[in-house]
Parts: sequence; structure tokens; C-alpha cells
Amino acid sequence: ILNVEQSPQSLHVQEGDSTNFTCSFPSSNFYALHWYRWETAKSPEALFVMTLNGDEKKKGRISATLNTKEGYSYLYIKGSQPEDSATYLCACPNSGGYQKVTFGTGTKLQVIP
Amino acid sequence: DVKVTQSSRYLVKRTGEKVFLECVQDMDHENMFWYRQDPGLGLRLIYFSYDVKMKEKGDIPEGYSVSREKKERFSLILESASTNQTSMYLCASSVLYEQYFGPGTRLTVT
Repeated sequence: ILNVEQSPQSLHVQEGDSTNFTCSFPSSNFYALHWYRWETAKSPEALFVMTLNGDEKKKGRISATLNTKEGYSYLYIKGSQPEDSATYLCACPNSGGYQKVTFGTGTKLQVIP
Repeated sequence: DVKVTQSSRYLVKRTGEKVFLECVQDMDHENMFWYRQDPGLGLRLIYFSYDVKMKEKGDIPEGYSVSREKKERFSLILESASTNQTSMYLCASSVLYEQYFGPGTRLTVT
């Protein structure tokens, strides 16, 4: 099993604050990293897929960076809004095929109005 | 738009009952997965399937079995439900390692 870790486990921020959290993964045999957002009462949905060292992806106020050499990815949210409240998951493919991935334990973000 | 559906959003069963959780995807994906999600533990893989009638154990298969008779349908079976199987169960299909999830079934075993 891959060791994929996320920190912090939970986070409370005020509306308008910017925030970021981390996903760390083994840097050897890296293939890709996926970020998902999981809102309460909904299905997890893909945010970004990142493959190259130095990758930077952006969707609205949310962006992500990737450092494959040191084995981490940051997710940033600029000017947090209550609708950003969700659990953010990262996942890395396992070696051995079959499309298996290992998920981190997630960061639960709550944005306080 | 990929759609993954699960048979129930909420389910309450008694200890010892046999429980079936159904999952259907409409995108012709070969790979399908069953996870459970518990607080502080993240998503843990129970079983997955890479083709019709093919199945592989995930990280926590004990107490579960699966069935994949048709490409679009992947069923999770709790042979004899126990209280420690109370959890949120998520089904997913995938392509290029990107997972497409169903809405989840919150199962309570009393």
C-alpha cells in the first residue's frame, strides 16, 4: 500500500481567508496525483490531475502545485467561500496496474461565514 | 457525463443479515471499485474488478464479497452483516486512474 498523507486533518477558516493544505506521497515511481473535492451529501468529484514536476493547475480560486522530487502537492484556495467547505482528497496510482489508487485521509475544510 | 449510481442512499440492517449493495455505471469503464469511508481513516479499498467476472481483493476484503456479471454492474455483498460494517460505502469506476464516484450508501448495522 502506498503511503499517501494529507495535512492538516481539518481546518476552519473565516470567509475571505486564503488557505492551503498538503498531500505527501512517495517520490519514487511517481505516475500521477489526483485531487478530489467531496462535499457533504454529494459524490467526490475530480478537481485536478497532475503528472509533471512543477505542474501548476488552476480552477477559479483553487489551484494546485506538484513537486515530484520531494513528494508533495499543495492545494491553495484563495478568498475562501462557504461553498468551498468540503473534504479535499488526494490520490496516487498504485504500481501493479488495474487502475488502483491510494487515497490520503483527506483534509476537511470548513469556511465560516 | 459519467454517471455512477448506487441502489440506496441509506440502509439499516440487522446483525447477521445478508446485504447487497448495487452499483451501476454508464460509461463502459472496465474498472470498478468498492470503498468504505470511516472518520479519520479515509477511503479504504474493499474490492475491485477489472473486467466482467474478474475481481481482486483490496486492502480490507474480510467479511465482504463481490459480483460482476455485467460490465456496468458491480455488487458488494456483506455475507453476514456485523456492527463494525456500519460505514459509508462508495462505488467508483475509473479510466486513466481518475475515479468517478457514486453518491454513496450509508449503511447502519444494528
